[in-house]
Amino acid sequence: NAGVMQNPRHLVRRRGQEARLRCSPMKGHSHVYWYRQLPEEGLKFMVYLQKENIIDESGMPKERFSAEFPKEGPSILRIQQVVRGDSAAYFCASSPGEGELFFGSGTQLSVL
Amino acid sequence: GQQVMQIPQYQHVQEGEDFTTYCNSSTTLSNIQWYKQRPGGHPVFLIQLVKSGEVKKQKRLTFQFGEAKKNSSLHITATQTTDVGTYFCAELSGTYKYIFGTGTRLKVLA
Repeated sequence: NAGVMQNPRHLVRRRGQEARLRCSPMKGHSHVYWYRQLPEEGLKFMVYLQKENIIDESGMPKERFSAEFPKEGPSILRIQQVVRGDSAAYFCASSPGEGELFFGSGTQLSVL
Repeated sequence: GQQVMQIPQYQHVQEGEDFTTYCNSSTTLSNIQWYKQRPGGHPVFLIQLVKSGEVKKQKRLTFQFGEAKKNSSLHITATQTTDVGTYFCAELSGTYKYIFGTGTRLKVLA
């Protein structure tokens, strides 16, 4: 059973470009979470999704950020018109419901 | 909003010394989880505590949930270099959302 797969591992974008981060949850997991982590800091909750539904997006900036978890395919975190302050590690986690979160290896986004 | 404070923020210990990190919440918790993140790695689940006053052990690691379910601790006995990393507590907010603490960064000096 493969773990949570995130790609790309590293993503470099210039200011104003779009960033798309992908996350394939573990098989059988219908809950997906996205967290953001700055260097030497904690994990900041962004959004929690179940298949085709956004359940809680209270941690997402109102503008430029969006997330989806379609019926088929991976969950996508999309950042439009990136700015330098968006540079961070973005972690995806999945779970079957209650209980532990299984994290992916993360995507390191660098905005030039 | 919900806040999860961890202390200390950093801890340097000599190999063989003990280490403890504390997690304090502003609300009564239904459960609490602990994760470890190695440098350059991703968080890995360690344990979940549910009951008031619960104590669980994993080899040299001892996890405790406060009687009032507002705080928790992780204690490592006789640290080893493999214990290096950041330890996070995470509390359940609502039904499925987990809010992570600020983390304690542990360095073990050989």
